[in-house]
Amino acid sequence: KQEVTQIPAALSVPEGENLVLNCSFTDSAIYNLQWFRQDPGKGLTSLLLIQSSQREQTSGRLNASLDKSSGRSTLYIAASQPGDSATYLCAVSSGGSNYKLTFGKGTLLTVNP
Amino acid sequence: DARVTQTPRHKVTEMGQEVTMRCQPILGHNTVFWYRQTMMQGLELLAYFRNRAPLDDSGMPKDRFSAEMPDATLATLKIQPSEPRDSAVYFCASGSTGSSYNSPLHFGNGTRLTVT
Repeated sequence: KQEVTQIPAALSVPEGENLVLNCSFTDSAIYNLQWFRQDPGKGLTSLLLIQSSQREQTSGRLNASLDKSSGRSTLYIAASQPGDSATYLCAVSSGGSNYKLTFGKGTLLTVNP
Repeated sequence: DARVTQTPRHKVTEMGQEVTMRCQPILGHNTVFWYRQTMMQGLELLAYFRNRAPLDDSGMPKDRFSAEMPDATLATLKIQPSEPRDSAVYFCASGSTGSSYNSPLHFGNGTRLTVT
């Protein structure tokens, strides 16, 4: 059974800092990995999707990397802003037409002005 | 801007009552998921459909939960009878899937269910 762990559970940083969120998974036979953002009282917003054949994806100040063999992914946020404050969740897909996501419990990020 | 629509946003009900949650997936998406989120368990997959056919509902308590897609524009999740332990936020999500491609998932804003 796939298990996804996110460390740390919570992180507080001053505005402007670069930061890294970590995600690990137990079964390396994944199809893809997604990073989501969740604001309080809202649904999840997909930030980046990395296919298993890829090593990283970038969108603006966000960069996600994937090391499938070691079961790890990182989300790098450059020059953090207060608007980045949210819970960030990592999810791995078990594959292709069997599109089931297993989620981590998230990292609660607070960026202080 | 296409999005997944869920109704109602909030539902408070008494134990034993029937609860129905509705979801309108994004037009053109062929896969629909129901997730439940609690502080203790995080996000749990309850059921999912591809091309309106149920593929997996192993995460759902079968004796009280049921999920259906009567047509491509509507997915429903029903709880009968509801229990206090069902209190959670229920999310619907949709995406496009194929043998070699999965699109990012789009989530609705959820239905916050409280069973007293």
